[in-house]
Amino acid sequence: AQTVTQSQPEMSVQEAETVTLSCTYDTSENNYYLFWYKQPPSRQMILVIRQEAYKQQNATENRFSVNFQKAAKSFSLKISDSQLGDTAMYFCAYRYTNAGKSTFGDGTTLTVKP
Amino acid sequence: GAVVSQHPSRVICKSGTSVKIECRSLDFQATTMFWYRQFPKQSLMLMATSNEGSKATYEQGVEKDKFLINHASLTLSTLTVTSAHPEDSSFYICSAGPDYYEQYFGPGTRLTVT
Repeated sequence: AQTVTQSQPEMSVQEAETVTLSCTYDTSENNYYLFWYKQPPSRQMILVIRQEAYKQQNATENRFSVNFQKAAKSFSLKISDSQLGDTAMYFCAYRYTNAGKSTFGDGTTLTVKP
Repeated sequence: GAVVSQHPSRVICKSGTSVKIECRSLDFQATTMFWYRQFPKQSLMLMATSNEGSKATYEQGVEKDKFLINHASLTLSTLTVTSAHPEDSSFYICSAGPDYYEQYFGPGTRLTVT
């Protein structure tokens, strides 16, 4: 069974600084997708960034980028120029390419301080 | 982008009654939808896979007679919590997508059983 581990229950960062959230996963599959979702107090899941495992190049979306290390099964999220609106719970998720169901980590609560 | 809706957004019911939650894909057809449960400050746990025109697939430990799933059309899946008890109080989220890569989450339904 696939597992996703987020070892940082809580993190904080000063506004405008950079923060990295960690995620490791375990799978025996070779083709899969990895995601980072943001869940603000409204609890709506918002896709932040995604990575296909077959792609070696790390995904980037504006201030958000990932460090994908397939051999190490690591998928960290870097948020640059942190903004107050980035305050939320962040979930790392795994999805096998032949199934739409997702396995989530326990989440990291990020607080951006002014 | 694609939208998934849920109704109701929140519901309060008395212990012993049943409550139905709807999940709709608004601009695409989904042969498969997924139901998750989330307790406060915790991760999303997959409950079941809803399959259009056939029986749902339940995750280990989820009571299929308690959480009835019906996927009668390509745009609608329903989750019925039967004989609800206070321990069923939780946040229920569905996801659906045009394919396994593109999955969109509904806004969630907060169920409170009194």
